[in-house]
Amino acid sequence: DSGVTQTPKHLITATGQRVTLRCSPRSGDLSVYWYQQSLDQGLQFLIQYYNGEERAKGNILERFSAQQFPDLHSELNLSSLELGDSALYFCASSAPSLRAGGTGDTQYFGPGTRLTVL
Amino acid sequence: AQKVTQAQTEISVVEKEDVTLDCVYETRDTTYYLFWYKQPPSGELVFLIRRNSFDEQNEISGRYSWNFQKSTSSFNFTITASQVVDSAVYFCAHSSASKIIFGSGTRLSIRP
Repeated sequence: DSGVTQTPKHLITATGQRVTLRCSPRSGDLSVYWYQQSLDQGLQFLIQYYNGEERAKGNILERFSAQQFPDLHSELNLSSLELGDSALYFCASSAPSLRAGGTGDTQYFGPGTRLTVL
Repeated sequence: AQKVTQAQTEISVVEKEDVTLDCVYETRDTTYYLFWYKQPPSGELVFLIRRNSFDEQNEISGRYSWNFQKSTSSFNFTITASQVVDSAVYFCAHSSASKIIFGSGTRLSIRP
């Protein structure tokens, strides 16, 4: 158990809908990262937040957005869902570092949320 | 641009055999980090190791060892005396600046 929690574990929805995935980092971790894992795209980095601020951005679609709240939990919002958005979405967290939260920090992953868009 | 290649899509070996998973990366950065993660059938991603680009020392942790060679841009992972519990998909990743790139993974099956 990495200490990172994600809810829900599974989510089934329809095309065009909007969903919110939630992540609670390990106690004390300031950085939260979001990833998408799909069969055709593999494991892709979406976005990173550090202590409430966006720190790094990867291949995140404009239909997707994220935020990190003062209690450090994070939410990933996916809107206008398409069939191709079906994937496993992982959240990871990392401890504070001298580099103030780079993607080079060791990341500990949550169990993931499996999203199915029908 | 950074790129991580795990050319071995699938490997199957018999238990107790040694197995090496290859990882080759491309980068223009002088400062970067390399990672290995394990994804067992249960689906979670488990951190195995992180190396920075200035530390080429090989690392051994129990039956696991890693060989980092900047000259060949490789960061290979060897499992000695493999066990059925080692069956998983293994991902190599490269991180620099504010970007992390994962390889496509190697599915390792250990047959009893």
